[in-house]
Amino acid sequence: GAVVSQHPSWVICKSGTSVKIECRSLDFQATTMFWYRQFPKQSLMLMATSNEGSKATYEQGVEKDKFLINHASLTLSTLTVTSAHPEDSSFYICSARLGARETQYFGPGTRLLVL
Amino acid sequence: GDSVTQMEGPVTLSEEAFLTINCTYTATGYPSLFWYVQYPGEGLQLLLKATKADDKGSNKGFEATYRKETTSFHLEKGSVQVSDSAVYFCALRGGGSARQLTFGSGTQLTVLP
Repeated sequence: GAVVSQHPSWVICKSGTSVKIECRSLDFQATTMFWYRQFPKQSLMLMATSNEGSKATYEQGVEKDKFLINHASLTLSTLTVTSAHPEDSSFYICSARLGARETQYFGPGTRLLVL
Repeated sequence: GDSVTQMEGPVTLSEEAFLTINCTYTATGYPSLFWYVQYPGEGLQLLLKATKADDKGSNKGFEATYRKETTSFHLEKGSVQVSDSAVYFCALRGGGSARQLTFGSGTQLTVLP
């Protein structure tokens, strides 16, 4: 199947700093990318959907100014957690698909710990 | 809106036991149905899928049949292995403009040797 990578795989940062997470589709062009957040022993919560070249669509309750999403190319999307706080600590997973009817492929996730 | 209800875990089985994880859904139209698996510390991997009623998805000994009359997509495996220990997510993709995935809550499976 298609490969989606995320970088970094884990990050520890101090409260108040910003953290950028990259998501890349390695062998296909992803017209749509998704960002999810997963708390321990819980399901995935969709944070936002982004289409290449346009602004991301955020789910209700997700602060767009705190979680900045950029989908600058068909193979790269970034999530920046701005002014991170301990409650932002979580497992962030990106996903990518080629078209609306295509399979969605998931990255390996990025574990963020904010001290 | 669309929703997925999944059998609560955790589920603990002995190696070679039969596995069933129940999944039912609510959706308008004709959704596609998926099972994803998440191994510890990793992202999700697509396990199998079915795109229309009566389709059977299968992979690695797992199978699930799209039952429109009962709105179900139960996951089964005849003989589980220790390496099957993971969290299993049932999901659907509806017909909305974004065609997003809606996930169930996940079922933790532990297989003991």
